[in-house]
Amino acid sequence: QVQLVQSGAEVKKPGASVQLSCKTSGYTFTTYAMHWMRQAPGQRLEWMGWIDAGDGNTRYSQKFQGRVTITRDTSASTAYMELSSLRSEDTAVYYCVRHGDGSRPVGVWGQGTLVTVSS
Amino acid sequence: DIQMTQSPSTLSASVGDRVTITCRASHSISSWLAWYQQKPGKAPKLLIYKASSLESGVPSRFSGSGSGTEFTLTISSLQPDDFATYYCQQYYSYPYTFGQGTKLEIK
Repeated sequence: QVQLVQSGAEVKKPGASVQLSCKTSGYTFTTYAMHWMRQAPGQRLEWMGWIDAGDGNTRYSQKFQGRVTITRDTSASTAYMELSSLRSEDTAVYYCVRHGDGSRPVGVWGQGTLVTVSS
Repeated sequence: DIQMTQSPSTLSASVGDRVTITCRASHSISSWLAWYQQKPGKAPKLLIYKASSLESGVPSRFSGSGSGTEFTLTISSLQPDDFATYYCQQYYSYPYTFGQGTKLEIK
Protein backbone atom coordinates (compact mmCIF):
# COMPACT_ATOMS: atom_id res chain seq x y z
CA GLN A 1 0.00 0.00 0.00
CA VAL A 2 0.99 3.63 -0.44
CA GLN A 3 3.07 4.94 2.45
CA LEU A 4 4.74 8.24 3.19
CA VAL A 5 7.19 8.05 6.09
CA GLN A 6 8.58 11.32 7.37
CA SER A 7 11.78 11.97 9.28
CA GLY A 8 11.80 12.46 13.03
CA ALA A 9 11.16 15.43 15.24
CA GLU A 10 13.59 18.35 15.18
CA VAL A 11 14.53 21.06 17.66
CA LYS A 12 16.19 24.12 16.14
CA LYS A 13 17.37 27.51 17.30
CA PRO A 14 16.04 30.71 15.75
CA GLY A 15 17.87 31.57 12.55
CA ALA A 16 18.76 27.96 11.76
CA SER A 17 17.51 25.80 8.90
CA VAL A 18 15.77 22.45 8.95
CA GLN A 19 15.46 19.82 6.25
CA LEU A 20 12.70 17.23 6.48
CA SER A 21 12.39 14.10 4.41
CA CYS A 22 9.43 12.11 3.16
CA LYS A 23 10.20 8.59 1.96
CA THR A 24 7.54 7.03 -0.21
CA SER A 25 6.67 3.47 -1.13
CA GLY A 26 3.88 1.55 -2.81
CA TYR A 27 3.58 3.67 -5.96
CA THR A 28 5.63 5.15 -8.79
CA PHE A 29 7.16 8.22 -7.14
CA THR A 30 7.50 10.27 -10.32
CA THR A 31 3.82 9.93 -11.18
CA TYR A 32 2.51 12.26 -8.46
CA ALA A 33 3.30 15.72 -7.19
CA MET A 34 4.07 16.11 -3.48
CA HIS A 35 2.71 18.88 -1.31
CA TRP A 36 4.14 20.16 1.96
CA MET A 37 1.79 21.60 4.54
CA ARG A 38 2.14 22.61 8.15
CA GLN A 39 -0.02 23.14 11.21
CA ALA A 40 1.08 25.28 14.14
CA PRO A 41 -0.38 24.39 17.55
CA GLY A 42 -4.10 25.17 17.61
CA GLN A 43 -3.95 26.76 14.16
CA ARG A 44 -5.34 26.01 10.72
CA LEU A 45 -3.40 24.07 8.13
CA GLU A 46 -1.13 26.02 5.77
CA TRP A 47 -0.06 24.95 2.31
CA MET A 48 3.64 25.67 1.78
CA GLY A 49 4.34 24.41 -1.70
CA TRP A 50 4.66 21.43 -3.95
CA ILE A 51 7.01 19.66 -6.31
CA ASP A 52 6.26 17.79 -9.50
CA ALA A 53 8.15 14.60 -8.66
CA GLY A 54 8.50 13.84 -12.36
CA ASP A 55 10.24 16.97 -13.66
CA GLY A 56 11.20 18.65 -10.38
CA ASN A 57 9.22 21.82 -11.02
CA THR A 58 8.16 23.57 -7.83
CA ARG A 59 5.59 26.11 -6.70
CA TYR A 60 5.67 27.87 -3.36
CA SER A 61 3.29 29.91 -1.28
CA GLN A 62 4.26 33.57 -1.38
CA LYS A 63 4.28 33.49 2.41
CA PHE A 64 7.30 31.15 2.41
CA GLN A 65 8.96 32.32 -0.83
CA GLY A 66 12.68 32.74 -0.29
CA ARG A 67 12.73 30.56 2.82
CA VAL A 68 11.42 27.23 1.56
CA THR A 69 13.00 24.83 -0.89
CA ILE A 70 11.36 21.56 -1.93
CA THR A 71 13.46 18.96 -3.72
CA ARG A 72 13.26 15.29 -4.55
CA ASP A 73 15.54 12.31 -5.11
CA THR A 74 13.85 10.02 -7.61
CA SER A 75 16.34 7.21 -7.02
CA ALA A 76 15.31 7.17 -3.35
CA SER A 77 11.62 7.95 -3.96
CA THR A 78 11.99 10.69 -1.38
CA ALA A 79 10.91 14.30 -1.20
CA TYR A 80 12.58 16.94 0.95
CA MET A 81 11.54 20.28 2.37
CA GLU A 82 14.05 22.78 3.70
CA LEU A 83 12.94 25.83 5.66
CA SER A 84 15.51 28.48 6.52
CA SER A 85 15.76 31.48 8.86
CA LEU A 86 13.59 29.70 11.39
CA ARG A 87 11.64 31.69 13.95
CA SER A 88 9.45 30.65 16.84
CA GLU A 89 6.33 31.00 14.67
CA ASP A 90 7.63 28.13 12.53
CA THR A 91 7.03 25.70 15.40
CA ALA A 92 4.54 23.32 13.85
CA VAL A 93 3.83 19.82 12.60
CA TYR A 94 4.94 19.55 8.98
CA TYR A 95 3.24 17.10 6.62
CA CYS A 96 4.13 15.76 3.21
CA VAL A 97 1.01 14.91 1.24
CA ARG A 98 0.77 13.14 -2.08
CA HIS A 99 -1.31 14.88 -4.73
CA GLY A 100 -4.73 13.38 -5.18
CA ASP A 101 -6.21 11.20 -7.89
CA GLY A 102 -8.85 12.61 -10.20
CA SER A 103 -10.55 15.64 -8.67
CA ARG A 104 -9.15 15.09 -5.20
CA PRO A 105 -6.82 17.82 -3.91
CA VAL A 106 -4.66 15.40 -1.96
CA GLY A 107 -4.19 11.71 -1.36
CA VAL A 108 -2.09 9.98 1.27
CA TRP A 109 -0.55 11.96 4.15
CA GLY A 110 2.70 11.38 5.92
CA GLN A 111 2.57 10.96 9.68
CA GLY A 112 3.85 14.47 10.30
CA THR A 113 7.09 15.83 11.76
CA LEU A 114 7.15 18.19 14.72
CA VAL A 115 9.62 21.03 14.35
CA THR A 116 10.21 23.08 17.47
CA VAL A 117 12.04 26.40 17.19
CA SER A 118 13.31 27.62 20.51
CA SER A 119 16.32 29.41 21.89
CA ASP B 1 -5.00 34.55 -1.55
CA ILE B 2 -8.53 33.21 -1.15
CA GLN B 3 -9.72 33.46 2.45
CA MET B 4 -11.82 30.63 3.87
CA THR B 5 -14.11 31.25 6.84
CA GLN B 6 -15.95 28.52 8.71
CA SER B 7 -18.85 28.79 11.10
CA PRO B 8 -19.36 28.00 13.82
CA SER B 9 -15.90 27.66 15.37
CA THR B 10 -17.27 25.29 18.00
CA LEU B 11 -20.38 23.16 17.85
CA SER B 12 -21.85 21.15 20.74
CA ALA B 13 -24.11 18.29 19.74
CA SER B 14 -25.35 14.89 20.84
CA VAL B 15 -25.12 11.45 19.29
CA GLY B 16 -27.88 11.14 16.70
CA ASP B 17 -28.10 14.88 15.98
CA ARG B 18 -27.98 16.32 12.48
CA VAL B 19 -25.31 19.00 12.22
CA THR B 20 -24.25 21.44 9.54
CA ILE B 21 -20.98 23.35 9.20
CA THR B 22 -20.67 26.28 6.80
CA CYS B 23 -17.63 27.43 4.85
CA ARG B 24 -17.43 30.69 2.92
CA ALA B 25 -14.80 31.65 0.36
CA SER B 26 -13.70 35.24 -0.25
CA HIS B 27 -13.89 34.65 -4.02
CA SER B 28 -15.75 32.16 -6.14
CA ILE B 29 -14.02 28.79 -6.16
CA SER B 30 -16.59 26.98 -8.33
CA SER B 31 -16.79 23.51 -6.72
CA TRP B 32 -13.13 23.15 -5.84
CA LEU B 33 -13.72 22.58 -2.16
CA ALA B 34 -12.76 19.75 0.16
CA TRP B 35 -13.69 18.83 3.72
CA TYR B 36 -11.41 17.09 6.21
CA GLN B 37 -11.82 15.52 9.62
CA GLN B 38 -8.91 15.75 12.05
CA LYS B 39 -8.47 14.07 15.41
CA PRO B 40 -5.84 15.13 17.97
CA GLY B 41 -2.33 14.11 17.02
CA LYS B 42 -3.41 12.74 13.64
CA ALA B 43 -3.17 13.90 10.04
CA PRO B 44 -6.37 15.20 8.47
CA LYS B 45 -8.62 12.70 6.70
CA LEU B 46 -10.30 13.64 3.42
CA LEU B 47 -14.10 13.30 3.65
CA ILE B 48 -15.52 15.24 0.71
CA TYR B 49 -13.94 16.59 -2.48
CA LYS B 50 -15.26 18.66 -5.38
CA ALA B 51 -17.80 20.07 -2.89
CA SER B 52 -20.07 17.03 -2.85
CA SER B 53 -18.14 13.88 -3.80
CA LEU B 54 -17.81 11.41 -0.95
CA GLU B 55 -14.34 9.94 -0.53
CA SER B 56 -14.15 6.18 -0.72
CA GLY B 57 -14.70 4.52 2.66
CA VAL B 58 -16.33 7.56 4.26
CA PRO B 59 -19.76 6.82 5.79
CA SER B 60 -22.77 8.06 3.83
CA ARG B 61 -23.97 10.13 6.80
CA PHE B 62 -21.44 12.74 5.62
CA SER B 63 -22.50 14.94 2.72
CA GLY B 64 -21.35 18.19 1.16
CA SER B 65 -23.06 20.81 -0.94
CA GLY B 66 -22.57 24.26 -2.40
CA SER B 67 -20.72 26.08 -5.13
CA GLY B 68 -19.24 29.49 -5.75
CA THR B 69 -18.61 30.97 -2.31
CA GLU B 70 -20.91 29.09 0.08
CA PHE B 71 -20.55 25.48 1.11
CA THR B 72 -21.88 23.16 3.77
CA LEU B 73 -20.86 19.89 5.36
CA THR B 74 -23.72 17.93 6.91
CA ILE B 75 -23.54 14.93 9.19
CA SER B 76 -26.98 13.37 9.17
CA SER B 77 -26.82 11.42 12.44
CA LEU B 78 -23.80 11.99 14.67
CA GLN B 79 -21.88 8.96 15.82
CA PRO B 80 -19.37 8.88 18.72
CA ASP B 81 -16.47 8.63 16.27
CA ASP B 82 -17.49 11.91 14.59
CA PHE B 83 -16.43 14.19 17.44
CA ALA B 84 -13.38 15.89 15.95
CA THR B 85 -12.31 19.09 14.21
CA TYR B 86 -13.44 19.72 10.64
CA TYR B 87 -11.69 21.90 8.07
CA CYS B 88 -12.67 23.12 4.64
CA GLN B 89 -10.05 23.75 1.96
CA GLN B 90 -10.19 25.48 -1.40
CA TYR B 91 -8.09 24.13 -4.23
CA TYR B 92 -9.31 26.44 -6.97
CA SER B 93 -6.10 28.44 -6.92
CA TYR B 94 -2.69 28.45 -5.28
CA PRO B 95 -1.95 28.76 -2.49
CA TYR B 96 -4.45 26.19 -1.28
CA THR B 97 -6.08 27.69 1.82
CA PHE B 98 -8.00 26.26 4.74
CA GLY B 99 -10.74 27.40 7.05
CA GLN B 100 -9.95 27.95 10.70
CA GLY B 101 -11.71 24.75 11.71
CA THR B 102 -14.91 23.74 13.49
CA LYS B 103 -14.53 21.74 16.68
CA LEU B 104 -17.43 19.35 17.13
CA GLU B 105 -17.90 18.59 20.82
CA ILE B 106 -20.15 16.25 22.74
CA LYS B 107 -23.01 18.09 24.43
